[in-house]
Amino acid sequence: AQTVTQSQPEMSVQEAETVTLSCTYDTSESDYYLFWYKQPPSRQMILVIRQEAYKQQNATENRFSVNFQKAAKSFSLKISDSQLGDAAMYFCAYRSAGTSGTYKYIFGTGTRLKVLA
Amino acid sequence: DARVTQTPRHKVTEMGQEVTMRCQPILGHNTVFWYRQTMMQGLELLAYFRNRAPLDDSGMPKDRFSAEMPDATLATLKIQPSEPRDSAVYFCASGFLLGKNEIHNEQFFGPGTRLTVL
Repeated sequence: AQTVTQSQPEMSVQEAETVTLSCTYDTSESDYYLFWYKQPPSRQMILVIRQEAYKQQNATENRFSVNFQKAAKSFSLKISDSQLGDAAMYFCAYRSAGTSGTYKYIFGTGTRLKVLA
Repeated sequence: DARVTQTPRHKVTEMGQEVTMRCQPILGHNTVFWYRQTMMQGLELLAYFRNRAPLDDSGMPKDRFSAEMPDATLATLKIQPSEPRDSAVYFCASGFLLGKNEIHNEQFFGPGTRLTVL
């Protein structure tokens, strides 16, 4: 069974600085997708960035980028130029590619990010 | 602006009562997920449907929970009888999932239903 581990329950970053959130996963599959979701106090789950496992290039979305290390099964999120609005709970998630007929998402336990003014 | 809608947004009920939560997926989406979020367990997948057929409900307590999709525009999650340990935020999410190498492979979350069972 697949698992997703976020070992940092809480992180803090100074406004305008850079922070990296860690995520590791375990799977025997070769095709899958990885995601980072943001959950602000409003509770709304918002997709931040996604990575296809078959792509070697790391995904980027404006100030958000990932460091995808497939062999190490590591998928970290880097937030550059942190803003107060980035303060939220961040969840790492794994999903099979669907070849086995499953579309289950497996979520990590989350990392609470605080941004200090 | 297409979005997943959930009703009710908040529900307070007494132990033993039936609770029904509803979800309207984004029009055209073929996959619907139900999640439960608690402080202790985090975000857990309860069940999901593809093309209205249940694909996996292994995360759902079968004795009291049931999930259905009467039609493509409505998904329901019922708890009968409810218990205090069911207190949580329940999220519905929908997506258009085709399979391997699909283009649209993300899920969109609704705002959640906060359930409190006294």
